[in-house]
Amino acid sequence: ETGVTQTPRHLVMGMTNKKSLKCEQHLGHNAMYWYKQSAKKPLELMFVYSLEERVENNSVPSRFSPECPNSSHLFLHLHTLQPEDSALYLCASSPLAGTYNEQFFGPGTRLTVL
Amino acid sequence: SQELEQSPQSLIVQEGKNLTINCTSSKTLYGLYWYKQKYGEGLIFLMMLQKGGEEKSHEKITAKLDEKKQQSSLHITASQPSHAGIYLCGVTSGTYKYIFGTGTRLKVLA
Repeated sequence: ETGVTQTPRHLVMGMTNKKSLKCEQHLGHNAMYWYKQSAKKPLELMFVYSLEERVENNSVPSRFSPECPNSSHLFLHLHTLQPEDSALYLCASSPLAGTYNEQFFGPGTRLTVL
Repeated sequence: SQELEQSPQSLIVQEGKNLTINCTSSKTLYGLYWYKQKYGEGLIFLMMLQKGGEEKSHEKITAKLDEKKQQSSLHITASQPSHAGIYLCGVTSGTYKYIFGTGTRLKVLA
């Protein structure tokens, strides 16, 4: 595997379910990100991890819980979501956080909340 | 907070035609990224501009940064169906703040 991978690619869940999204980067980067992309809205940054430490949390509801066990893996734990949380969730990584450098994106997880 | 507005929102062109997409910032631009996204997939980095007046090219795509106008433009020469997708501009706005534009959806007719 190369680049940034995300699993699953598609997820349908009920509002009472608990699920997790997984992201893995094979690029040796030190920063990882979660973004949310909803229809007709700009891409929204949710969380930033730098060297496995969360450095940014953009007022994201607590029903989204990120976890970064090491610099290669990032998870987004989901529980009691709402239908408006349905979106494409993108993971990205970059060599460093907080500076101008290219982010490498995964293919995304298409989440549908029923 | 900084906002990026892209124009046009969508564009349909005939193959072989040239086109330009603009990205205008509500604040001073110190640098800017351009990405391309295929529908429902991740973003692919195109180029990064870091200085006023800077111009970069990648294959048939050229981007310029105009600091005074707080604007960047992306120009595609002799468009091809492979250029179709959503083009997004983005900036690093403060420490750990990444902001993206609303996107321009491009369709190229063969």
